[in-house]
Amino acid sequence: AQKVTQAQTEISVVEKEDVTLDCVYETRDTTYYLFWYKQPPSGELVFLIRRNSFDEQNEISGRYSWNFQKSTSSFNFTITASQVVDSAVYFCALSEARSGANNLFFGTGTRLTVIP
Amino acid sequence: DAGVIQSPRHEVTEMGQEVTLRCKPISGHDYLFWYRQTMMRGLELLIYFNNNVPIDDSGMPEDRFSAKMPNASFSTLKIQPSEPRDSAVYFCASSLKQSTGELFFGEGSRLTVL
Repeated sequence: AQKVTQAQTEISVVEKEDVTLDCVYETRDTTYYLFWYKQPPSGELVFLIRRNSFDEQNEISGRYSWNFQKSTSSFNFTITASQVVDSAVYFCALSEARSGANNLFFGTGTRLTVIP
Repeated sequence: DAGVIQSPRHEVTEMGQEVTLRCKPISGHDYLFWYRQTMMRGLELLIYFNNNVPIDDSGMPEDRFSAKMPNASFSTLKIQPSEPRDSAVYFCASSLKQSTGELFFGEGSRLTVL
């Protein structure tokens, strides 16, 4: 069965600090997808990124970067020079090709608070 | 473009009452999902539809819960009778078939059952 672990329940950082959100996953499928979603105070979840299991290239998008390492089953998310607007709950998620690539299994989330 | 629209945003009801939550997905999206979010259990997939057909309802808690999608632009999640443990935020999401896992979520319906 699939499992997503976000060990950090809450993190607080001061504005402009870098912060890394950890995500560890378990799956028996060889084809799977990993995601990060952001849930701001307004409530709706917002898609940030998707990686498939065959693409271990790290990705950078502005202040956001993602480090996918199959060897450690991790998909960590780093925010550089954090801003108050980054305050949100961040969810890591996994889907498996054999059970439906759109069938996402979410971690418990990490609440990030950026202090001005 | 309009996103996923859910109603009501907030509902407070008494135990035993029927609750109906509504969702309008993004036009053209093939998939529709219902999720429930609670502090204890996090985000749980309840059911999802593909082209209006329920594909996986294994996450539906029990027979008190039912979901329908009579057409491509409308879905309902009904709880009858409601219980206090059903209190949660219920999210609807939609996606294109080829947008693997890129779900577009509504703002959620916060349900409180007294």
